[in-house]
Amino acid sequence: GAVVSQHPSRVICKSGTSVKIECRSLDFQATTMFWYRQFPKKSLMLMATSNEGSKATYEQGVEKDKFLINHASLTLSTLTVTSAHPEDSSFYICSAADNYGYTFGSGTRLTVV
Amino acid sequence: AQRVTQPEKLLSVFKGAPVELKCNYSYSGSPELFWYVQYSRQRLQLLLRHISRESIKGFTADLNKGETSFHLKKPFAQEEDSAMYYCALSTGGGNKLTFGTGTQLKVEL
Repeated sequence: GAVVSQHPSRVICKSGTSVKIECRSLDFQATTMFWYRQFPKKSLMLMATSNEGSKATYEQGVEKDKFLINHASLTLSTLTVTSAHPEDSSFYICSAADNYGYTFGSGTRLTVV
Repeated sequence: AQRVTQPEKLLSVFKGAPVELKCNYSYSGSPELFWYVQYSRQRLQLLLRHISRESIKGFTADLNKGETSFHLKKPFAQEEDSAMYYCALSTGGGNKLTFGTGTQLKVEL
């Protein structure tokens, strides 16, 4: 079945630095990928829809200048958390639409210290 | 805008008992409904989608448009069914998924 690889699985960074998270579709082409944020014991909150070759569509309340999304190829989307602060610490998950529905990456645990 | 409601945060049942995880939705068009499962320390996995009408791991879900529901059912719970279950809705065509808040299923011996 479809596989989405997300990297890194964990990252710790200093406040004020930027962190890039990669999401790859391994055996299919994904024109659309999605980025979610999951708070402890809470549901997934959609942050943005990433479209290959065009600008991402951000959900209301998500700062596009803080969460930069690039979808330069049909198999790779990246999320860069710029000037990270402790409140950005969270679990970030990517997803891609495939023939069966939506396949999810394993998530990235970001800790900003 | 579409919305998905899962009224139970936690559902605890005994092994062998029937399970029903509730999901209601609101959407004016024809939705695509999904159930996803997240086992401890694992990624979200697709369990069911309503258009395929499959039974996976003994789970079934029927879309009831009159009641705008997509409840997940299993006649006999197994210990390995303990996990977090999310109901989700898409407006189709690979559009974004809207998730419910999830129900933690705990199957006790």
